[in-house]
Amino acid sequence: QKEVEQDPGPLSVPEGAIVSLNCTYSNSAFQYFMWYRQYSRKGPELLMYTYSSGNKEDGRFTAQVDKSSKYISLFIRDSQPSDSATYLCAMSVRIQGAQKLVFGQGTRLTINP
Amino acid sequence: DTAVSQTPKYLVTQMGNDKSIKCEQNLGHDTMYWYKQDSKKFLKIMFSYNNKELIINETVPNRFSPKSPDKAHLNLHINSLELGDSAVYFCASSQIHEQFFGPGTRLTVL
Repeated sequence: QKEVEQDPGPLSVPEGAIVSLNCTYSNSAFQYFMWYRQYSRKGPELLMYTYSSGNKEDGRFTAQVDKSSKYISLFIRDSQPSDSATYLCAMSVRIQGAQKLVFGQGTRLTINP
Repeated sequence: DTAVSQTPKYLVTQMGNDKSIKCEQNLGHDTMYWYKQDSKKFLKIMFSYNNKELIINETVPNRFSPKSPDKAHLNLHINSLELGDSAVYFCASSQIHEQFFGPGTRLTVL
């Protein structure tokens, strides 16, 4: 079993739809929970991170963590064509000043105008 | 100004060759990383250096050798390249939580 499981999609929705992306994990030692966005032929960029159960909102994006169920989600409201990208969930543990990130497989999202 | 830069951007080489990828960050971060992203977009950590000290060394063949000459630079040398080494290699740096990724080096082994 992989430490982090993410449905690879692809996922295609119309512009303006609400998008829900999800990951499950098995390692209780994970301390931080993140969502990265990766455009084609680019490096991943951090969208949001949180370390506690609950919701965190940033504009059209909401990250949700449920540590008891080992489940995290990213919601995108009023989705735009510019949101089309691969979304990677990531979990981390801190090791002597470094942060070991374990990524999900990534979900390829397409927003259709 | 580019925060994390990598050279080269593309690398095409024959099996058995030795090649190096270079990474530089101008963010003043203490920690740098190498990741490998395979053809299915799965991103996996390989190494991490904190203040020039190797901290994370995942299950990576000995043919891969990282080297950090100073806090701002982390290089990756690969000996005896194999077909399975074909991937995109990303460098990243961090200070606390957020890791900033470089643009990637697309390595193709023929």
